[in-house]
Amino acid sequence: AQSVTQLGSHVSVSEGALVLLRCNYSSSVPPYLFWYVQYPNQGLQLLLKYTTGATLVKGINGFEAEFKKSETSFHLTKPSAHMSDAAEYFCALMRGGYQKVTFGTGTKLQVIP
Amino acid sequence: NAGVTQTPKFQVLKTGQSMTLQCAQDMNHEYMSWYRQDPGMGLRLIHYSVGAGITDQGEVPNGYNVSRSTTEDFPLRLLSAAPSQTSVYFCASSYGLAGIGDTGELFFGEGSRLTVL
Repeated sequence: AQSVTQLGSHVSVSEGALVLLRCNYSSSVPPYLFWYVQYPNQGLQLLLKYTTGATLVKGINGFEAEFKKSETSFHLTKPSAHMSDAAEYFCALMRGGYQKVTFGTGTKLQVIP
Repeated sequence: NAGVTQTPKFQVLKTGQSMTLQCAQDMNHEYMSWYRQDPGMGLRLIHYSVGAGITDQGEVPNGYNVSRSTTEDFPLRLLSAAPSQTSVYFCASSYGLAGIGDTGELFFGEGSRLTVL
């Protein structure tokens, strides 16, 4: 069975500080991995994705994530937090060749001025 | 391009009532799905469809029915609403089956907030 674990349901950072949101996965076959962002009262939108190839993936709004197979991790980072980054972030996994997507429980990011 | 459209955005039901949440997409996506979002539980898959006439159960299908008569529409039916179905519901679509020119990115609607009293 595949699963996604997000460490920390709430993360607070100061404006300008590093953002690090953690995601670990479990999958019997190489998965596709995603980070989605959800702003208040909105649907989810794709931030970035890893399918194959380069393990460091760059997304929108200055976010990036690195796929580390040996650690089964796909942590999301941004060098400098902005107030507009305050949102809930979801890590998700899709097993290659199958369409069902499994989501983590989400991490709410608070940015402190 | 409207993307994925969900209606209604808000609904209050009494226990035992039935209703249908509508979802339509205009991107010619083969794959459509319904998720419910509850605090601390992330998104859980209710039902999904890989094309017109084909549906299957997800993680939490009990109490919900779906059908897919057209590529564009994927309604979710609650036959007899229960307070445990109070949640925010999201419809999501994708181009097609992974491995056939598709990377699995889901396109979400804005959600339907349902309260069952």
